[in-house]
Amino acid sequence: SQTIHQWPATLVQPVGSPLSLECTVEGTSNPNLYWYRQAAGRGLQLLFYSVGIGQISSEVPQNLSASRPQDRQFILSSKKLLLSDSGFYLCAWGTKFDQPQHFGDGTRLSIL
Amino acid sequence: GQNIDQPTEMTATEGAIVQINCTYQTSGFNGLFWYQQHAGEAPTFLSYNVLDGLEEKGRFSSFLSRSKGYSYLLLKELQMKDSASYLCAVRDGTDSWGKLQFGAGTQVVVTP
Repeated sequence: SQTIHQWPATLVQPVGSPLSLECTVEGTSNPNLYWYRQAAGRGLQLLFYSVGIGQISSEVPQNLSASRPQDRQFILSSKKLLLSDSGFYLCAWGTKFDQPQHFGDGTRLSIL
Repeated sequence: GQNIDQPTEMTATEGAIVQINCTYQTSGFNGLFWYQQHAGEAPTFLSYNVLDGLEEKGRFSSFLSRSKGYSYLLLKELQMKDSASYLCAVRDGTDSWGKLQFGAGTQVVVTP
């Protein structure tokens, strides 16, 4: 069966510090991978998606970036965090279009 | 683009029925998903509709009318554990990468 791992579960970072969140998927090949952010009490905002190694599309302009160095690895990064980067970050994977996306457990990021 | 609307909050009694409506306006349509999200946790997949009609899964059912841009999620025999946010998500028919657009979610509160 397929599983998705995301870490860390919680992170507290000072403004201006770098960020690296990692997501890995097991049990499937060539998945579509997604990074979402959810602000408190809000819906999910798609940040990045990837359909293959090295292929990244950005949905919203921001100071975050994403990379996919391996087929089942997706990384969210920032060189300098802003206060507005606080939120709940979720990684998801999907395959066929008639199948749902499945989410990792999420990372709660607090910027101080 | 897409506009997805759902009520912010609904309250119901244990054992009752609650219907959560979702309306959408999209440039294309390729499926509608419902997710459940407990506080502080990742969303989990509940149901998928791509054709008009009702899909039933145990205590949960989901209905779709493509001509009206309308869906609902029906929760029957409510239990306390059903207290959660319910997210409606639409897959754009013009998109080839399986991206989902999420509504802000409906917080369902089940009371004893």
